[in-house]
Amino acid sequence: AQKITQTQPGMFVQEKEAVTLDCTYDTSDPSYGLFWYKQPSSGEMIFLIYQGSYDQQNATEGRYSLNFQKARKSANLVISASQLGDSAMYFCAMRESAGANSKLTFGKGITLSVRP
Amino acid sequence: DTEVTQTPKHLVMGMTNKKSLKCEQHMGHRAMYWYKQKAKKPPELMFVYSYEKLSINESVPSRFSPECPNSSLLNLHLHALQPEDSALYLCASSQAGGASTEAFFGQGTRLTVV
Repeated sequence: AQKITQTQPGMFVQEKEAVTLDCTYDTSDPSYGLFWYKQPSSGEMIFLIYQGSYDQQNATEGRYSLNFQKARKSANLVISASQLGDSAMYFCAMRESAGANSKLTFGKGITLSVRP
Repeated sequence: DTEVTQTPKHLVMGMTNKKSLKCEQHMGHRAMYWYKQKAKKPPELMFVYSYEKLSINESVPSRFSPECPNSSLLNLHLHALQPEDSALYLCASSQAGGASTEAFFGQGTRLTVV
């Protein structure tokens, strides 16, 4: 069963506007972490933001915020004031609590294009 | 220093060649990972090392052989690869254990098998 689901087709946003990238997940583990990564065409996976399953508040990191709705099992990434450099592929990922061997599982990703 | 360094950045090899990919981190992380990524697809986990011991092998063919000589270094030895093994190979590291540990990735090695 797919654990991380990203179903949006390629996304487009106008420069300086906000955009939401959707992510839903599936786990029976009460302790888990949710992550968003950005991958530009250069290939490097850049860590953006983290949300823990027990966190009471939504995570924020600069222009990135995570809209965490635990009951719905969704962890959407909100990018405010989009910049041209935000054009990239974005992956949602989850790590379940499994001791030293916990894996980071990725969704299939969303391509974001920022228009000038 | 939150950097994971991978060498080489690009590699072209024949199906009979033997080559190695290298990965280095100095963040004191005790978990290191190899991922394989095809274009427009998510990274697929290959191997996990925890405290320099192989803890996960995701049924990877034996033509890929990982090695962790010490806590800072991770190698991936390649032998008799097939053209379908052409991909971006990403190395990552993290603190070992727990659900809250983010992984830091290198820039990857773009491998082409001819």
